[in-house]
Amino acid sequence: QQQVKQSPQSLIVQKGGIPIINCAYENTAFDYFPWYQQFPGKGPALLIAIRPDVSEKKEGRFTISFNKSAKQFSLHIMDSQPGDSATYFCAASWNNNDMRFGAGTRLTVKP
Amino acid sequence: DAGITQSPRHKVTETGTPVTLRCHQTENHRYMYWYRQDPGHGLRLIHYSYGVKDTDKGEVSDGYSVSRSKTEDFLLTLESATSSQTSVYFCAIGGASSTDTQYFGPGTRLTVL
Repeated sequence: QQQVKQSPQSLIVQKGGIPIINCAYENTAFDYFPWYQQFPGKGPALLIAIRPDVSEKKEGRFTISFNKSAKQFSLHIMDSQPGDSATYFCAASWNNNDMRFGAGTRLTVKP
Repeated sequence: DAGITQSPRHKVTETGTPVTLRCHQTENHRYMYWYRQDPGHGLRLIHYSYGVKDTDKGEVSDGYSVSRSKTEDFLLTLESATSSQTSVYFCAIGGASSTDTQYFGPGTRLTVL
């Protein structure tokens, strides 16, 4: 049973659009929610992360929105660019030894 | 890839043969992890280490063993490879706190025929 459910599986947007990727979790003990970006042939790289005491976090064009009561969090990419085309993974952990990942979203940004 | 190398990068082997994957770090991180990545499952933790000779099981540890004799090296062994272990394997390093970033290596693509 996947503890972190991610949607959609794939997403295609035009350059400048705002793709939104959603994740939901069950375990209320989770206290750290990172997003990873992965390019083909590479390992995942941390993009942005949030703690549950914050409802929103922005870093450049990337924003995490967090809804603790609904146990949901999402990634928004503002002014998306073709270079943002990658697979994005949400994750959740309650200690760094047990991080659970979503299944991933393949994002394509068309020029 | 944050001072992490994995070897080999690609391997094809046959069912029933032993396989060892190596992760080497130059960052002196205490924690090291092995994940497998499969379509539809994201990344799943196999084993992790919190120090030399200190290891523990993750979510999908059956069929795998690990060893860590030096801070910089973490080995993943498939004692008798099966086709269900065909996957991309990633090593990661990180700290003990839940907010410490995990840095991933470039991955090893393993095919078990």
